Amino acid sequence: NAGVTQTPKFQVLKTGQSMTLQCAQDMNHNSMYWYRQDPGMGLRLIYYSASEGTTDKGEVPNGYNVSRLNKREFSLRLESAAPSQTSVYFCASSEGWAYNEQFFGPGTRLTVL
Amino acid sequence: KQEVTQIPAALSVPEGENLVLNCSFTDSAIYNLQWFRQDPGKGLTSLLLIQSSQREQTSGRLNASLDKSSGRSTLYIAASQPGDSATYLCAAPGDAGNMLTFGGGTRLMVKP
Repeated sequence: NAGVTQTPKFQVLKTGQSMTLQCAQDMNHNSMYWYRQDPGMGLRLIYYSASEGTTDKGEVPNGYNVSRLNKREFSLRLESAAPSQTSVYFCASSEGWAYNEQFFGPGTRLTVL
Repeated sequence: KQEVTQIPAALSVPEGENLVLNCSFTDSAIYNLQWFRQDPGKGLTSLLLIQSSQREQTSGRLNASLDKSSGRSTLYIAASQPGDSATYLCAAPGDAGNMLTFGGGTRLMVKP
């Protein structure tokens, strides 16, 4: 099993450009999450999907949109990238919403110039 | 709102030492607490998940404890090795399902 996979691994954008970060899991998990990790701020939840067909805002959702494409895939879209969105983005999944262990992908390192 | 703190922020020890990493949280009404390891430039690897009904959880040389009443968890690493060098993160859910709040991490260096 590959676990949680993310594409791309690295990306450089110019301010105002858009892009979609892709995430897929092969563990048949119901819940999926997007986090960002910044120096001094730690890991913060952007959006989550408790189950297929539902999405909700986390702590820092502004400037992002998500799509739960199916049970396996959960994408994060930046419509108009800003330098403040320079970060490392992690996708995670868990079996269920009710306090289950979360498993993380390798991350996408995004730089917005 | 759940707040999670980890002390110390950095720790350097000689190989072979037993060590304890600390994690404290403000909302003691948690269902579980999770410990992760993060190597430089990599993702997070889940080490241990302690349910609130458990007081300890063990995996190899790692032992994690949870004391809800005091708002504390500890990660004990026995006989540390250079390969244990990494950042260790703890995370606790808030009052809404599985939304984790992370501590700032402890950066561990084990010197040969």
